[in-house]
Amino acid sequence: AQSVTQPDIHITVSEGASLELRCNYSYGATPYLFWYVQSPGQGLQLLLKYFSGDTLVQGIKGFEAEFKRSQSSFNLRKPSVHWSDAAEYFCAVGAPLTGNQFYFGTGTSLTVIP
Amino acid sequence: NAGVTQTPKFRILKIGQSMTLQCTQDMNHNYMYWYRQDPGMGLKLIYYSVGAGITDKGEVPNGYNVSRSTTEDFPLRLELAAPSQTSVYFCASTGTGGGGETQYFGPGTRLLVL
Repeated sequence: AQSVTQPDIHITVSEGASLELRCNYSYGATPYLFWYVQSPGQGLQLLLKYFSGDTLVQGIKGFEAEFKRSQSSFNLRKPSVHWSDAAEYFCAVGAPLTGNQFYFGTGTSLTVIP
Repeated sequence: NAGVTQTPKFRILKIGQSMTLQCTQDMNHNYMYWYRQDPGMGLKLIYYSVGAGITDKGEVPNGYNVSRSTTEDFPLRLELAAPSQTSVYFCASTGTGGGGETQYFGPGTRLLVL
């Protein structure tokens, strides 16, 4: 069965510090992987996505993520966090082979300390 | 290009009442989805549609119904509202690739059932 795990419910970092949000997935084929960000009271916005090719993908707002097949992981990183990055982050798997559905993790809430 | 729009933004229902959450997209997308988001639970798929006239159940369909008479519209119907349906509801759409493509989300409808 498809599933996405985000082991960190909440993370607090200082502004300017580096960030890594973890994501592990379970999927029986080559996954399509996504990271979305949700600001309070808003819908979800795509940060980046991985379909194939280079395992390090760049996204908007200075984020990047690395796909590691051997670890079934797709961790999100940012070298220097800004106060405006405080939000909820969701990892998702797209499953075109199983009804074209998407499976979301439970999210990681990021707090940025000035 | 408005993207995905949802109405209403907020609604309070009494137990046993019914209502329809509206969702419209103007991107000519084939795939449309309804999710509910509960605190700490991520997004759960309620129903989805791969095109006009075709709908299918997601992970949590009980208590809901959908229809897809046009490409643009994908309304979600609650027939007998229950407190367990208190949640934030998001509509989303993707193009022809379904699970392999970026989802575009509406701003959400916050529903409170008392």
